[in-house]
Amino acid sequence: QSALSQPAYVSGSPGQSITISCSGSSNDVGGYNYVSWYQQHPGKAPKLILNDVTERPSGVSDRFSGSKSGNTASLTISGLQTEDEADYFCCSYGGADTWLFGGGTKLTVL
Amino acid sequence: QVQLQESGPGLVKPSQTLSLTCTVSGGSISSGSYFWSWIRQPAGKGLEWIGRIYTTRSGSGRTNYNPSLKSRVTISVDTSKNQFSLKLGSVTAADTAVYYCVASGYDFEWFDPWGQGTLVTVAS
Repeated sequence: QSALSQPAYVSGSPGQSITISCSGSSNDVGGYNYVSWYQQHPGKAPKLILNDVTERPSGVSDRFSGSKSGNTASLTISGLQTEDEADYFCCSYGGADTWLFGGGTKLTVL
Repeated sequence: QVQLQESGPGLVKPSQTLSLTCTVSGGSISSGSYFWSWIRQPAGKGLEWIGRIYTTRSGSGRTNYNPSLKSRVTISVDTSKNQFSLKLGSVTAADTAVYYCVASGYDFEWFDPWGQGTLVTVAS
């Protein structure tokens, strides 16, 4: 099993939209609709922001949305706000009761 | 919703065994409603799922481990203390990380909630 692949850095201006990709294989991202995304501010624990590719937990802004095509999942943040500046991690079920995470993407809001 | 809190030594010597405990509050660890996982994060790097345990009041349960760590990892539960534990043997500097204990709902393929995390440094 290899970690999922994410861009190391993404940036955007307030009000803009950005998309973070998460690439895996047919054994993980492509094989199951079990991709989740986590937001992590410095010094804090990760926080779930999307599950099952597109579902937003209660209390998560509708500016966060998810999608998947083939072996790549994506997180889109619309109407960027300064408080969105954080690290973002994707996670996928990897089969056989195992899970894989991405290496993380640092989002800078310029 | 349950809350989780990690505890254990912050410094472990190379080749020794890292031992951490997670105390669960706000619900029973043997309710059968959650899987209990350990996830770690080296400084400035990504997350790595270590393994998980599931247990019920009847005593039935199971564990699953990351294949890359399986030979060195044991996750166990103490229902009398509402705690679950991680043991990672033969540690090296590469095992230095923040370790999180995390819950995931039964039949839910995501991780929530998380403990605050505890830093474990492997050094002599």
